[in-house]
Amino acid sequence: EAGVTQFPSHSVIEKGQTVTLRCDPISGHDNLYWYRRVMGKEIKFLLHFVKESKQDESGMPNNRFLAERTGGTYSTLKVQPAELEDSGVYFCASSQDFGGYPYEQYFGPGTRLTVT
Amino acid sequence: AQKVTQAQTEISVVEKEDVTLDCVYETRDTTYYLFWYKQPPSGELVFLIRRNSFDEQNEISGRYSWNFQKSTSSFNFTITASQVVDSAVYFCALSEEGGSEKLVFGKGTKLTVNP
Repeated sequence: EAGVTQFPSHSVIEKGQTVTLRCDPISGHDNLYWYRRVMGKEIKFLLHFVKESKQDESGMPNNRFLAERTGGTYSTLKVQPAELEDSGVYFCASSQDFGGYPYEQYFGPGTRLTVT
Repeated sequence: AQKVTQAQTEISVVEKEDVTLDCVYETRDTTYYLFWYKQPPSGELVFLIRRNSFDEQNEISGRYSWNFQKSTSSFNFTITASQVVDSAVYFCALSEEGGSEKLVFGKGTKLTVNP
């Protein structure tokens, strides 16, 4: 079974540019999560999809971040325009439908974003 | 508010030593879930264990063991007879019942096992 995949593995962009990160969850996993780790800090939750619907986007830092999950399969996270403080590692995770019980989340390898 | 504290930033041991990674959590919920993840140099987070708040039994899996104590809000992780392949960053995380089951992570402990 293929794991969670993320693309690209590394992105270097200039301040003000746009970047789109992609996540492909494990097949059949309805839940998809985005997290971010800024240098030296904790991994922090950004948002959660259940199929194509946003269940919780309380962790999204501001309206420069836009996440989509069309068709309930892969997801994209767009940052527009990117700022220096957006640099970090963006993780995607997926899990089975929990029905109130949190199954373990399977994480991808992350996308390292560097904004210069 | 939820919070997870991993006070040990880095630990260095020699192979075959036992090592314990500490995790202290804060939550107001009576039902919650605790997790440990391992992040090897390749970068992905690998799930190790999930424990719910109603189950305080310690768990052992090979060289790994976990000690959950609600009285001290701790969920410590011990590696027995450490090996070089255990070198990684280890994260403790907390999830509360209901809502989105988002994980709240500690800052992680970097473990280096030297030959």
